[in-house]
Amino acid sequence: DGGITQSPKYLFRKEGQNVTLSCEQNLNHDAMYWYRQDPGQGLRLIYYSQIVNDFQKGDIAEGYSVSREKKESFPLTVTSAQKNPTAFYLCASRRLAGSSYNEQFFGPGTRLTVL
Amino acid sequence: AQSVSQHNHHVILSEAASLELGCNYSYGGTVNLFWYVQYPGQHLQLLLKYFSGDPLVKGIKGFEAEFIKSKFSFNLRKPSVQWSDTAEYFCAVTGEYNFNKFYFGSGTKLNVKP
Repeated sequence: DGGITQSPKYLFRKEGQNVTLSCEQNLNHDAMYWYRQDPGQGLRLIYYSQIVNDFQKGDIAEGYSVSREKKESFPLTVTSAQKNPTAFYLCASRRLAGSSYNEQFFGPGTRLTVL
Repeated sequence: AQSVSQHNHHVILSEAASLELGCNYSYGGTVNLFWYVQYPGQHLQLLLKYFSGDPLVKGIKGFEAEFIKSKFSFNLRKPSVQWSDTAEYFCAVTGEYNFNKFYFGSGTKLNVKP
């Protein structure tokens, strides 16, 4: 069953701790994305990666870090420098080959609460 | 940078009413346009997309959208909504000069009363 998995579904952390959110895809997609979803603000891009070992900052990258060591995995670390980390985090992937208008496929999300 | 506006934040309709959700974007060059839907407790999924050709695009579940280049708009429509259309709807547009970057609107929550 192909798709994108994000774990865990709910995550609680104390303020000042770094936390890593997992995202795995078995769709053989080239590009992967991390978004943050806040009520009334839609999805805002944190980071994206088009190829292994390469990634670009999105619009709200401050306080976050990523790695892309494998094609199928794109973990996101929320660092203690992120001022307002409590949010719903969505991972997406997308096939690049073939056309420029391929859509993104989304995972189920991780809700992070920092106490 | 590209920006996307969805002016209707919350829409309440009765079943069988017609729906139109607005989406406007800022960059007027070549872009790809998408509508996604997020049903309660489910993943975001694609409703429809436009990249070229006929500006009237048909998607899943009876939805359609019209691309009007002169108005920088890509409004979503459905002639007759059902209770099962209750969801949050997001418009997305690719960035200027970068089709790999997507910009999303703030979303519209649709509640359909049975």
